[in-house]
Amino acid sequence: DQQVKQNSPSLSVQEGRISILNCDYTNSMFDYFLWYKKYPAEGPTFLISISSIKDKNEDGRFTVFLNKSAKHLSLHIVPSQPGDSAVYFCAASEITGANSKLTFGKGITLSVRP
Amino acid sequence: DAGVIQSPRHEVTEMGQEVTLRCKPISGHDYLFWYRQTMMRGLELLIYFNNNVPIDDSGMPEDRFSAKMPNASFSTLKIQPSEPRDSAVYFCASSFSLAVSNSPLHFGNGTRLTVT
Repeated sequence: DQQVKQNSPSLSVQEGRISILNCDYTNSMFDYFLWYKKYPAEGPTFLISISSIKDKNEDGRFTVFLNKSAKHLSLHIVPSQPGDSAVYFCAASEITGANSKLTFGKGITLSVRP
Repeated sequence: DAGVIQSPRHEVTEMGQEVTLRCKPISGHDYLFWYRQTMMRGLELLIYFNNNVPIDDSGMPEDRFSAKMPNASFSTLKIQPSEPRDSAVYFCASSFSLAVSNSPLHFGNGTRLTVT
């Protein structure tokens, strides 16, 4: 049973446009959310995170939005660059409690066309 | 810092053979995690250690899988006997805390395992 769902396996956007990567979760106890980026033949690397007490966190071209009532978060990349082409994993955890380990989604492959 | 180091990068073996994957975490990190990545299930946590002690192995798929951490700088994941359905990319990761809010996971580059 997938507690973190990334239902779109892939996304293709034009360079300079906005990329929107979506993620849904089912466990209402999750209170911290992260995005990891993975290039081929490399391990995932941390990109950006958000706590459930916020609804937005911005870091340069990357912004994560959280809608707790919908159990939905999204990663916006503006403007998209060819170097952003990678697999993006959404992850969630409970900051406290027994489930503080990360639960990952299946990932979304983003392709940015020059 | 060299980061998390995994070996081998690629492993091809025949069904029934024993496979051992190795990991050296980042020095000073007290937590070590083994993940498996497949197309169907994404990144799954298999087991994690704190100060060399296994804390949660609920993700280990079956008794054919075992993991050890004999010291703070080395861990192994062993599959015996291996089966074709074990084919996946196995990642090791480490962190200095379990609190992901201030201690993101650092992943190695993974071992791509193919069992024929």
